[in-house]
Amino acid sequence: DTEVTQTPKHLVMGMTNKKSLKCEQHMGHRAMYWYKQKAKKPPELMFVYSYEKLSINESVPSRFSPECPNSSLLNLHLHALQPEDSALYLCASSHPGVGGETQYFGPGTRLLVL
Amino acid sequence: GDSVTQMEGPVTLSEEAFLTINCTYTATGYPSLFWYVQYPGEGLQLLLKATKADDKGSNKGFEATYRKETTSFHLEKGSVQVSDSAVYFCVGGATNKLIFGTGTLLAVQP
Repeated sequence: DTEVTQTPKHLVMGMTNKKSLKCEQHMGHRAMYWYKQKAKKPPELMFVYSYEKLSINESVPSRFSPECPNSSLLNLHLHALQPEDSALYLCASSHPGVGGETQYFGPGTRLLVL
Repeated sequence: GDSVTQMEGPVTLSEEAFLTINCTYTATGYPSLFWYVQYPGEGLQLLLKATKADDKGSNKGFEATYRKETTSFHLEKGSVQVSDSAVYFCVGGATNKLIFGTGTLLAVQP
C-alpha cells in the first residue's frame, strides 16, 4: 500500500478563519512533507518532519503552522491567510535518509482564500 | 546548486504516437532520478525511478534510462493514449529535498 490520504479535498476560507489540513499515511514512513503548488508550477517545499521532529522550514510565514502528532499523521494549521495563499497543498511521505528516497504524494487539498 | 531542466510544453500528440520528454540534471553527485505524473485535479504519482547510472526505470509502457555521461533521464513511450494526457515532472533527489523540473504538459488527441 503506497497511499497517502489528505482531508479535506477542497477548502474555502476567509482571511480571518482558522482551519486545518490533515494528512495520513500507514506505510511506516518516518519523514513527512508539506508542499504548496500554484497552477502550472511544480510543487514548492514548505516543511519536512523527520521522526516527528521539524527538520526543515523553508522560511514559511507563521500563518502556516505544521504539527506532527505521531508517525502517521501530519497537520497544517492555517490562520489569517491571504488570497495569494490559494493553492493546492500536497502532503508526501518517505523513508528518512540522506537523500534520494522516493516520496509518495497524497491527492492534495485545494485551498481557496477569499 | 542542483537543478533539473526539462523540455518546455505543451507537447501535443496524436494517439499511438511516440513520446519523448527530455530531461537533464546538474548535480555535484549522482542523484536518484524520478518521473512523476500529475493528472488534472490530482496529486503527483510516481511513474518510474532510477537510482544509479545505467538503471532503466519502467512502468505502464513508459521508460527512462539514467545516462551519467549525458546527465540525462529522458522519458519515452512507444504509443501514447488519450489517458496519458497529464503534466510530467522530472525530479532529482540527492539530498533530503526533491529538485523539480518545471513540468511538461502532454496533450494526446484521439
